[in-house]
Amino acid sequence: NAGVTQTPKFRVLKTGQSMTLLCAQDMNHEYMYWYRQDPGMGLRLIHYSVGEGTTAKGEVPDGYNVSRLKKQNFLLGLESAAPSQTSVYFCASSLTGTGSYEQYFGPGTRLTVT
Amino acid sequence: AQKVTQAQTEISVVEKEDVTLDCVYETRDTTYYLFWYKQPPSGELVFLIRRNSFDEQNEISGRYSWNFQKSTSSFNFTITASQVVDSAVYFCALSEDGNNRLAFGKGNQVVVIP
Repeated sequence: NAGVTQTPKFRVLKTGQSMTLLCAQDMNHEYMYWYRQDPGMGLRLIHYSVGEGTTAKGEVPDGYNVSRLKKQNFLLGLESAAPSQTSVYFCASSLTGTGSYEQYFGPGTRLTVT
Repeated sequence: AQKVTQAQTEISVVEKEDVTLDCVYETRDTTYYLFWYKQPPSGELVFLIRRNSFDEQNEISGRYSWNFQKSTSSFNFTITASQVVDSAVYFCALSEDGNNRLAFGKGNQVVVIP
């Protein structure tokens, strides 16, 4: 099993450009999450999904959109990138979302917006 | 609202010394889950341990041990006989029952000096 994979690993964008980050998991997990990690801030939840076709906002959703068309994939979109979105983005998945199951994380995507 | 505080930012120890990481949490729920994750220099997040709020028994797993005290809302983590490979950022995280979100602390940078 590959676990949780993220594409791409690195990306540089100019202000105003758009892009999509892809997350895939092969563990048949119901729940998937997108976090961003900034220096000294820990990880903050952007959006999450409790199942195929459903999404919900997390702690810092502004400027991002997500889609979960297939159970194994969770896409994070930036419609008009801003320098404040320079960060490391992590995708995670968990078997369910009751809180008792640990989340498994992908390797991260380092995004720089100039 | 759930909140996690890790007061120590960077901790340096000499190899073979023990290191304890403090974590204080806030929650209004009676059922919740606490986690520790490790982030080595390579960047990925690795799940270490999970604790349920209704089980205060402290445990040891190899060189890791944890001390969960509901009376003081603390969930401290100890690495015994530290090794250079333990150098990483360690995150404490909280999830409330029925809540799909992990709230992370800001992390403790552990540096083990050979």
